Amino acid sequence: NAGVTQTPKFQVLKTGQSMTLQCAQDMNHEYMSWYRQDPGMGLRLIHYSVGAGITDQGEVPNGYNVSRSTTEDFPLRLLSAAPSQTSVYFCASSQQGAGANVLTFGAGSRLTVL
Amino acid sequence: SQQGEEDPQALSIQEGENATMNCSYKTSINNLQWYRQNSGRGLVHLILIRSNEREKHSGRLRVTLDTSKKSSSLLITASRAADTASYFCATDARPRSGYSTLTFGKGTMLLVSP
Repeated sequence: NAGVTQTPKFQVLKTGQSMTLQCAQDMNHEYMSWYRQDPGMGLRLIHYSVGAGITDQGEVPNGYNVSRSTTEDFPLRLLSAAPSQTSVYFCASSQQGAGANVLTFGAGSRLTVL
Repeated sequence: SQQGEEDPQALSIQEGENATMNCSYKTSINNLQWYRQNSGRGLVHLILIRSNEREKHSGRLRVTLDTSKKSSSLLITASRAADTASYFCATDARPRSGYSTLTFGKGTMLLVSP
């Protein structure tokens, strides 16, 4: 049981380049989300999805796009990377059962934008 | 903006001692959760307490919730070196879509020395 798998683990980009962070879960969870973690800032929600075809913005969505074509996958796209997007990105999923949203996290993707 | 704020930011204790971390939040919640993050890893769910509960136990963990003060505390008894990690509180918020999302605090770094 792999849980939540994120790829790549590390990535270096130049300003203006685009890339996609991949996230896949094998637990048939309805809810998936992306957070970024910066020193001294904790985790901030970027985008989330409550099912295939349904996405919504979190606290810091600017500069990021998401889509949810399948239950398993929730990729995060950076269309034109900026140094301010240097961060560690975490994908998390949950079943949202019994009115509670208990998250299972991936191991993270560390992104550096030069 | 951060919903939960942990206190202290850092805590250093000896093995066998108890560790107490506090979390304050701003708005009404459905539940509050605590997560642990080991260095360089993803977050792991520890315990959830619902808004109608005042105290909950899980092994060496004890969580309290005071909704009138909008605060929670996490107590780790008989700490071990393996408890060294960052601890985050997360509150359940319901934005305009009505779906549950979690808002994380900035975390408390716990160092347990042998």
